[in-house]
Amino acid sequence: EVQLVESGGGLVQPGGSLRLSCAASGFTFSDHYMDWARQAPGKGLEWVGRIRHKATGYTTDYGASVRGRFTLSRDDAKSSVYLQMNSLKTEDTALYYCVRAFSSGDYLDSWGQGTLVTVSS
Amino acid sequence: DIQMTQSPSSLSASVGDTVIITCRASQSISRALNWYQHKLGKAPKLLIYAASNLQGGAPPRFSGGGSGTDFTLTISSLQPEDSATYYCQQSYSIPTFGQGTKLEIK
Repeated sequence: EVQLVESGGGLVQPGGSLRLSCAASGFTFSDHYMDWARQAPGKGLEWVGRIRHKATGYTTDYGASVRGRFTLSRDDAKSSVYLQMNSLKTEDTALYYCVRAFSSGDYLDSWGQGTLVTVSS
Repeated sequence: DIQMTQSPSSLSASVGDTVIITCRASQSISRALNWYQHKLGKAPKLLIYAASNLQGGAPPRFSGGGSGTDFTLTISSLQPEDSATYYCQQSYSIPTFGQGTKLEIK
């Protein structure tokens, strides 16, 4: 069974940093692209970013609202993916989901339960 | 980025009804369109991928159609457990989601 478990959420001040982690199990992690998505309070789903697998050189893409502030990385030996969030803004407050992307990113077939990030002074 | 527009934003229907949710892309995305169901407090769940393929485990009362810029999600014989918010998402380029359609079962 595919499992994705996020951690690292919490309260941070505007301008601060936070690192989210996602531990994966139940599948061959190194074969898959991994994404992050988020949902702000009262809002819809927003795609945050993607890190591809080794064969692509671990290339990344980001949504426009986080580009230049967020950075994705992964450790295939630990079956984990990380989201480094810098220069956080109040509008980054959201539930952050770790997501497995299937078939070169054609669709997002497994989601974690999410970790809550609150950016507030 | 490709913009995705869903309609309606919300709807209310009764058990046994059939409902249709539409999703329009700002440019042609071929059939690179997926649908997700999101219930409060739960992780989103993939329902339909590549416009019309039912994800394993999804009930067959869910079906998808369309290509190019216009897509539909049809839910037949509505059940109480179908109460949720539904999102379309394009995978033609950098992923983007529609704004969601909240479905209430009367």
